[in-house]
Amino acid sequence: DAKTTQPPSMDCAEGRAANLPCNHSTISGNEYVYWYRQIHSQGPQYIIHGLKNNETNEMASLIITEDRKSSTLILPHATLRDTAVYYCIGSTSGTYKYIFGTGTRLKVLA
Amino acid sequence: GAVVSQHPSRVICKSGTSVKIECRSLDFQATTMFWYRQFPKQSLMLMATSNEGSKATYEQGVEKDKFLINHASLTLSTLTVTSAHPEDSSFYICSATSGPDYGYTFGSGTRLTVV
Repeated sequence: DAKTTQPPSMDCAEGRAANLPCNHSTISGNEYVYWYRQIHSQGPQYIIHGLKNNETNEMASLIITEDRKSSTLILPHATLRDTAVYYCIGSTSGTYKYIFGTGTRLKVLA
Repeated sequence: GAVVSQHPSRVICKSGTSVKIECRSLDFQATTMFWYRQFPKQSLMLMATSNEGSKATYEQGVEKDKFLINHASLTLSTLTVTSAHPEDSSFYICSATSGPDYGYTFGSGTRLTVV
């Protein structure tokens, strides 16, 4: 599984876009990039994942660089409820284990 | 969407006793489940991989006799913390997948406090 590096913390104003970066320079060709978030004292919540192409769903957008060594999770209009720790994980899909890094603690400010 | 139910959400036990935590996939079958432990202000640490019908695979440094894992059916895995001590107090979380295109679904976690 790819080792990932994320900034420890970020602030974002409510209503603005939150852009969370992740470096995964050791990611291999068959490893997906997964994003999860964890709100205090809850289990992680799936956000989005991708392999090569950019992805968008109702929660967020995922931008993966062409060399796949980094990605950015975009929350287009952050709300106070988006305050959480965000984790990016590199893993092959299917039945392979996730190794969590330290994540980014996002604080959305009113 | 896929739902993973974890029970209990919170448990307090006396030192030396054992505690069982259940993890159920409610609307899908999970041949593989994972157990994590999380200490305050730290990330999730993978403890073991639970495989239906076979022995669990433990990560390095995790005592298999201390943390007993049973995965007897495709929808249920249990983690038993045996002879619990205060240092075992932690947040325990399980996860399971409903298929290769969906990532993993996590349970809501169990807060264990050993007194």
